[in-house]
Amino acid sequence: AQRVTQPEKLLSVFKGAPVELKCNYSYSGSPELFWYVQYSRQRLQLLLRHISRESIKGFTADLNKGETSFHLKKPFAQEEDSAMYYCALSQAGGTSYGKLTFGQGTILTVHP
Amino acid sequence: ETGVTQSPTHLIKTRGQQVTLRCSSQSGHNTVSWYQQALGQGPQFIFQYYREEENGRGNFPPRFSGLQFPNYSSELNVNALELDDSALYLCASSSDRAGTQYFGPGTRLTVL
Repeated sequence: AQRVTQPEKLLSVFKGAPVELKCNYSYSGSPELFWYVQYSRQRLQLLLRHISRESIKGFTADLNKGETSFHLKKPFAQEEDSAMYYCALSQAGGTSYGKLTFGQGTILTVHP
Repeated sequence: ETGVTQSPTHLIKTRGQQVTLRCSSQSGHNTVSWYQQALGQGPQFIFQYYREEENGRGNFPPRFSGLQFPNYSSELNVNALELDDSALYLCASSSDRAGTQYFGPGTRLTVL
């Protein structure tokens, strides 16, 4: 069974500090990994998808298959980055093709 | 381009009743996925509909059922409501089964 773990429920940093949100997964096949973000009073939205290898709003994430991790990083946090962040995994094929398995989420607070 | 919409926004039901939640997919999308998000948890996959057929189901009992219409909008039906069904129900649409999922604002269901 596939599983996504976000070990930190809460993360606080100061503006301008680096930030890293941790995500570990377990999956026997070849996964596709995502980070979704939910800003206050807004809907869940895609932040980045590992296959696109894009940097969105200064965030990057590298898939480490050896450590089964997909940590989200930003070198200089901004106050507007304060939000709930979810790591998610999808199967590339099989009977649950396209099914997203989410972690429990990390609330990031960036202090001025 | 119209985003994913869901109705109603909030709903209160009593145990044993039945409920229908509705989702309009984003223009051009043929796939709808439903998720249940309990308080403090990440979204959990219920099922996905692709071109009017169920395409994968999560670990939910048969009293959770769905439908997708020719215009790709979708319904989630829950029979014999239980207190634990109280949650935020999210709908997401995508351009195909493994495409990026775009989420609606959710329907908050309270079962008393």
